[in-house]
Amino acid sequence: SQTIHQWPATLVQPVGSPLSLECTVEGTSNPNLYWYRQAAGRGLQLLFYSVGIGQISSEVPQNLSASRPQDRQFILSSKKLLLSDSGFYLCAWSVLTSGGGETQYFGPGTRLLVL
Amino acid sequence: AQSVTQLGSHVSVSEGALVLLRCNYSSSVPPYLFWYVQYPNQGLQLLLKYTTGATLVKGINGFEAEFKKSETSFHLTKPSAHMSDAAEYFCAVSDAASKLTFGTGTRLQVTL
Repeated sequence: SQTIHQWPATLVQPVGSPLSLECTVEGTSNPNLYWYRQAAGRGLQLLFYSVGIGQISSEVPQNLSASRPQDRQFILSSKKLLLSDSGFYLCAWSVLTSGGGETQYFGPGTRLLVL
Repeated sequence: AQSVTQLGSHVSVSEGALVLLRCNYSSSVPPYLFWYVQYPNQGLQLLLKYTTGATLVKGINGFEAEFKKSETSFHLTKPSAHMSDAAEYFCAVSDAASKLTFGTGTRLQVTL
C-alpha cells in the first residue's frame, strides 16, 4: 500500500531564516506531487505541483520554491522566511481514478510558525 | 474554470441528528467530485468520491453524497452524527484535464 511522509511535523523559525520541508511517497511510481498551504481559518492554497523529476509548476508567486530531486521526493524551500509564511503545509500525491481524473491523497502535514 | 461553494463555514448538530453539509460546484465539463475530512492538526482524508456511474456515493464512517447534475450539487450527509465526526470537511471538484479545486471548508461541531 502507498504511504506519504512529511517532516518535520512542527517547525518554529525566525523571520529571514531558510526553510526546507520534505515529503516522500512510498509504494507507487511516478506520482503527481503537490504542495498546499493552509493558513489559519482558511482553505487550501495550491503552491506547487510536479508531474515528474525536475518538473515543477508554480501556482502562486511567492518567496517559496519546490524541487523534485527523486521520483518520490518533493521538497519545499525558502531562502528567507516571512511572517506570512506561517501555516500548515500539506503534501499530496495522486493517481488516476478509474473512470478518469485523479484522486489526491494527503500527508500528515507540517505546521510552520515564523516568529 | 471550475469552482466550489460550500454553504456554511460552521455547522452545529446534536449527537444522533442528521448531518447535512452543502456543496455546489461549477464546471463546464462532467466533473469528478470529492469530499475530504480534516481532523485537528492532521492531513486531509478522503471520505468519498464521484467519478462516473451511480450518483449516490457511499463513503467511510457512514457518510454518503449524491451527485445532482440538475442542481450542480454534491451534498454530504450522515443519518446520525457522532461526537467523533467533529472536524472540517472540504468539497473538491476536478475534471479529466485539471487539478482539484477545493471549497473553503465547513467546520462541523457535534454537541451532546
